[in-house]
Amino acid sequence: GESVGLHLPTLSVQEGDNSIINCAYSNSASDYFIWYKQESGKGPQFIIDIRSNMDKRQGQRVTVLLNKTVKHLSLQIAATQPGDSAVYFCAENMSGYALNFGKGTSLLVTP
Amino acid sequence: EPEVTQTPSHQVTQMGQEVILRCVPISNHLYFYWYRQILGQKVEFLVSFYNNEISEKSEIFDDQFSVERPDGSNFTLKIRSTKLEDSAMYFCASSGGTAQETQYFGPGTRLLVL
Repeated sequence: GESVGLHLPTLSVQEGDNSIINCAYSNSASDYFIWYKQESGKGPQFIIDIRSNMDKRQGQRVTVLLNKTVKHLSLQIAATQPGDSAVYFCAENMSGYALNFGKGTSLLVTP
Repeated sequence: EPEVTQTPSHQVTQMGQEVILRCVPISNHLYFYWYRQILGQKVEFLVSFYNNEISEKSEIFDDQFSVERPDGSNFTLKIRSTKLEDSAMYFCASSGGTAQETQYFGPGTRLLVL
């Protein structure tokens, strides 16, 4: 079946560097994509979203890029800080209700 | 800033017992959801609820599960006869005036079935 998946299960970066977390999706009908951050023992925290009529969206220190041609989504975090250490999930919304989450990438920021 | 709250934070129960997990969604939101996350796995959709009825459910959400909005603020998930494999984190989420808006998640209830 169609699914959302992540290329890298873990990512280690140095404080101050930029981080890029990637996600592949296979359902061409998906039209809304979201990145969530999950810290240990907590619920998913919304970071940024993008709709399929856009290629790029920027937030505070974060940018999401959507490449519909290759069905690829990425999250860029500028000047990564220790507080950014968490698991990052991409999710797609196909039906308008259910979010289909990817498996998650663990980001570890080292000093 | 408004947030989704959930109680209890932890629940331990015996297999076969009924549990009710409680959520207070963000006050002006109209769409409500339950998800679960088995330890070390991804977050999985269970059910969505709008206008006092289920709008979508996954294959996980079988007859042992039910949801209810008993009053204007609470949203509950009931598991009638818990199984060992129901042990997971259960997250409530809510979103605003249309279906495809940002879903905001609560902190979760960790359910352990013994």
